[in-house]
Amino acid sequence: EAQVTQNPRYLITVTGKKLTVTCSQNMNHEYMSWYRQDPGLGLRQIYYSMNVEVTDKGDVPEGYKVSRKEKRNFPLILESPSPNQTSLYFCASSFGWAASYEQYFGPGTRLTVT
Amino acid sequence: AQSVAQPEDQVNVAEGNPLTVKCTYSVSGNPYLFWYVQYPNRGLQFLLKYITGDNLVKGSYGFEAEFNKSQTSFHLKKPSALVSDSALYFCAVRDAGSARQLTFGSGTQLTVLP
Repeated sequence: EAQVTQNPRYLITVTGKKLTVTCSQNMNHEYMSWYRQDPGLGLRQIYYSMNVEVTDKGDVPEGYKVSRKEKRNFPLILESPSPNQTSLYFCASSFGWAASYEQYFGPGTRLTVT
Repeated sequence: AQSVAQPEDQVNVAEGNPLTVKCTYSVSGNPYLFWYVQYPNRGLQFLLKYITGDNLVKGSYGFEAEFNKSQTSFHLKKPSALVSDSALYFCAVRDAGSARQLTFGSGTQLTVLP
C-alpha cells in the first residue's frame, strides 16, 4: 500500500530533551515536506526537500532541523524542544517538486513539550 | 507573499442539501489551487486541484470546485451532502513557479446534520 508513515504518533517530552520524528514514504517520491498544524492557523510549512541532500526552509523553520540522506526518509529533529513547539506535525510527499503535484500526508504526530 | 482565506470556521448543512465551503486566495503568479480533507485523527487527504483549463474541477467523493480568477476564489461544492462528509476542509494555494511554498487556509469544519 502506498503510504507515508510517521513515528511516533504521540510523544510527550520535556523541555530541552532532543527528539526525532521519523517520516518514510514508499512511493519513490522526490519531494518531501514537514508541516505543523495549530488551531486557527491551518498548516504551516517547516522544511521541505526537493531530493536527496537538498533541503530548504519553509515558513517556520526556527528550532527544527531536517536531513534527507535517502529518498524515502525525511526525519524531523528538535534539538532542544520548547513548549511553543507543542503541535500536531505532518510529513508529506509528492511525486515531484513541481507546483502542480498534490501532496500525500502521513497520519500525524502529536507532540507535547512540558 | 501568498495567502489563503477561508472565511467560515464552521459550516453546518442538512443531509441531502447542497454544500459550499468558501476559499479566496492571493498569489503573485499563476495559482495552483488544492482542496484537502482531514477526518478526525487522520492526515490530510487530497480531494481535487485546479492547475489550468476548465474552471470547474471535479474530484473525489462527488466534490467539485469552481475557479474564479476575477474573484480570486476557489469554492468547494457538493450537490447533495452526506453525514460522512463531516470533516475539516483545507484550501491551499501554490504559485505555479514555486517549488517551495504550499500555503494553507485555516480550515473550515463542515458538519452535515442528519
